[in-house]
Amino acid sequence: EDQVTQSPEALRLQEGESSSLNCSYTVSGLRGLFWYRQDPGKGPEFLFTLYSAGEEKEKERLKATLTKKESFLHITAPKPEDSATYLCAVRGDRLFNTDKLIFGTGTRLQVFP
Amino acid sequence: EPEVTQTPSHQVTQMGQEVILRCVPISNHLYFYWYRQILGQKVEFLVSFYNNEISEKSEIFDDQFSVERPDGSNFTLKIRSTKLEDSAMYFCASFGVSEQYFGPGTRLTVT
Repeated sequence: EDQVTQSPEALRLQEGESSSLNCSYTVSGLRGLFWYRQDPGKGPEFLFTLYSAGEEKEKERLKATLTKKESFLHITAPKPEDSATYLCAVRGDRLFNTDKLIFGTGTRLQVFP
Repeated sequence: EPEVTQTPSHQVTQMGQEVILRCVPISNHLYFYWYRQILGQKVEFLVSFYNNEISEKSEIFDDQFSVERPDGSNFTLKIRSTKLEDSAMYFCASFGVSEQYFGPGTRLTVT
């Protein structure tokens, strides 16, 4: 069964304190691993899509990396405005008749000044 | 920045009533989705829609649910007879080349 597990569930950081969020997955043929940011009561905001092991993408203070079994979202020198829930999702292979995103439960990040 | 829009932002309904949630996906996208998120839980897939038909649906998407793309822009989710457990945030999403964009959601409250 396709599955996504995120850790930690919650993370408290001091402003400027870099850290990493983990997303481990099992999927029948990966057709994309997605990272989203979600603020309370809002829709997921697209951050990155990664397709193959070794791929990396960056946006401001965020950098996402992918291996065959997991992805990391590295946050460098975070600011309070980075506080949000970060969601990881995988998209399976159409050969297995699936096109949906399977989400993890997210990591709730709080950054304190 | 591409944007998916949804209306209404909040819908309150009584158990057993029908509701229609509306979405305007990104104009040049071809794949459309509905997901839901019960408070405090993970985002769950409901249904995907491609080429004017359902391409995949989850176990949650039973006979009480239906989707439609009545014209070239709107994409709707109908719940025929709402239950208390249908209370959730409902998100519409559309898929481009490599990004799946979500709308802001409709908060459905069933009383």
